Amino acid sequence: RKEVEQDPGPFNVPEGATVAFNCTYSNSASQSFFWYRQDCRKEPKLLMSVYSSGNEDGRFTAQLNRASQYISLLIRDSKLSDSATYLCVVTYDRGSTLGRLYFGRGTQLTVWP
Amino acid sequence: GAGVSQSPSNKVTEKGKDVELRCDPISGHTALYWYRQRLGQGLEFLIYFQGNSAPDKSGLPSDRFSAERTGESVSTLTIQRTQQEDSAVYLCASSLGGRGNEQFFGPGTRLTVL
Repeated sequence: RKEVEQDPGPFNVPEGATVAFNCTYSNSASQSFFWYRQDCRKEPKLLMSVYSSGNEDGRFTAQLNRASQYISLLIRDSKLSDSATYLCVVTYDRGSTLGRLYFGRGTQLTVWP
Repeated sequence: GAGVSQSPSNKVTEKGKDVELRCDPISGHTALYWYRQRLGQGLEFLIYFQGNSAPDKSGLPSDRFSAERTGESVSTLTIQRTQQEDSAVYLCASSLGGRGNEQFFGPGTRLTVL
């Protein structure tokens, strides 16, 4: 079983729609959680960290459910520029692998006009 | 400031040749990572360097792959006797190290093995 699982999509939504992605992780020792964004043929870039209390950054809201071991990302009022692949990322507190990030395969989003 | 840089940006090679890919991390970043991304696929972890600790090589797919890092600076990923399945974008990332630090990615090296 993969460390981090995501629905690959694709999600195709119209501008202005609200879309949500979920991600599950296998190891309860997971410590930190992130969403990265990767545009086509570009490198991944950090979108936002995910905190236990949930956090919001403009149109983006991230939630963490430790009991169920899943992370979510909600995008409200989708823009064309939101079209990208969204990568769920976790880290573990395991000795020599401290700091290593585990990436999901990504969920592809296309926002159409 | 300068981000992570990688060279070359593109590399075309013939099957069986060796290739070297270079990564210059952000100055002061103690952690350095190599990933591989095949067309349409997710990131595949290859190797992780953290300071002077022994590297985590658990992601290297075969003994044809190796990587070195000198101190907390440049890293080189070497692929010997390249195969067509090695064709991918090789991404390097660096971070301040430790738990939960943002990784900053370089633009990648696109490797094509003919």
